[in-house]
Amino acid sequence: GAVVSQHPSWVICKSGTSVKIECRSLDFQATTMFWYRQFPKQSLMLMATSNEGSKATYEQGVEKDKFLINHASLTLSTLTVTSAHPEDSSFYICSAMVRAQWPSGANVLTFGAGSRLTVL
Amino acid sequence: GIQVEQSPPDLILQEGANSTLRCNFSDSVNNLQWFHQNPWGQLINLFYIPSGTKQNGRLSATTVATERYSLLYISSSQTTDSGVYFCAGGLEAGKSTFGDGTTLTVKP
Repeated sequence: GAVVSQHPSWVICKSGTSVKIECRSLDFQATTMFWYRQFPKQSLMLMATSNEGSKATYEQGVEKDKFLINHASLTLSTLTVTSAHPEDSSFYICSAMVRAQWPSGANVLTFGAGSRLTVL
Repeated sequence: GIQVEQSPPDLILQEGANSTLRCNFSDSVNNLQWFHQNPWGQLINLFYIPSGTKQNGRLSATTVATERYSLLYISSSQTTDSGVYFCAGGLEAGKSTFGDGTTLTVKP
């Protein structure tokens, strides 16, 4: 079935550096992908919607200059955390809509495995 | 925006027991999914169920769209069922609001 692959699984970086997280759709094309953030023992918060070939749409309160999103192809979206600080440490998860098999045929959210970022 | 309330927040079961998790929505939704997040953080889609009833093995779900709630049933629970269960819903495909989750612990 359709798989959303996310890399890296975990990353540790120094404060002030930038970190890039990749989200790939395997065996299907995704014109739209979604980026979420999850703090420990909390729910998922939608950060932005990544659109292939155009600018991402950010949710209210999300700094677009801090969290750069690029969706340059139909199978790859990237999230770059710029000038990372300890408060950016979190679990970042991407997702894409995948058409379910019969009978529903509905578009369902399918998630990558997530990337755990720790900023020292 | 849509508010999603899940209950109970925590649930501890003995292996073999049954359980019901609930999700209430503040407004009507066109998309509704149940997910299981395993201890490594991976979210697994359990059901896409904006209305009606579905079953998959020991799991089943029912959504009463007119009353804006959904239920997830787990029967004969196993230790591997442990984790966090989320419901998520919204009007636009993909832009779903997540509940705070139910943390399930199944003891052997």
